[in-house]
Amino acid sequence: DAGVIQSPRHEVTEMGQEVTLRCKPISGHDYLFWYRQTMMRGLELLIYFNNNVPIDDSGMPEDRFSAKMPNASFSTLKIQPSEPRDSAVYFCASSPPGRTFGQAFFGQGTRLTVV
Amino acid sequence: AQRVTQPEKLLSVFKGAPVELKCNYSYSGSPELFWYVQYSRQRLQLLLRHISRESIKGFTADLNKGETSFHLKKPFAQEEDSAMYYCALAGTSGSRLTFGEGTQLTVNP
Repeated sequence: DAGVIQSPRHEVTEMGQEVTLRCKPISGHDYLFWYRQTMMRGLELLIYFNNNVPIDDSGMPEDRFSAKMPNASFSTLKIQPSEPRDSAVYFCASSPPGRTFGQAFFGQGTRLTVV
Repeated sequence: AQRVTQPEKLLSVFKGAPVELKCNYSYSGSPELFWYVQYSRQRLQLLLRHISRESIKGFTADLNKGETSFHLKKPFAQEEDSAMYYCALAGTSGSRLTFGEGTQLTVNP
């Protein structure tokens, strides 16, 4: 298994544009997490899914952010419209079923720059 | 609510010196604690879990429920230990994994 796959690896966009980040979790994992990493705040959990259903989206900063998981092998995080303060590294992670809450496997991340 | 605090954003030590990365947590139930590490240009990966009581790459961490701490220790730091380290907590009620702010460890030659 290639692990959690995220695309694109880097994204540079202009303020006001829509940005879509993509994630393919590890096959068989039923938890999927989206995190944002910044120098100031470290790693912040934005949202997580269990069996494709959003469980906790309390970390989503505002309505400009939305996430979907249409099937077990794909998730998207969308920012519309994007703002410079959204610049960060966005990580997707997945976890296997069972009581292995902390064993999250992370993707390489998407470095987003909004200019 | 669950919360993880890493008081040091930056920590610098010399090679061969002992190192301790501090982590304190707040959680009303019985938590599971973890340390994750992110080497330069690599993905974040699990380093160790408190329930395993293991030593990985010479690192150990003991859960102190009285002090609500889970400090990461290594008696003799190596240059290759330079990385960002995150302490994380998972509660028993779900799979939410809460991370601390991270500590950037630099081991100087």
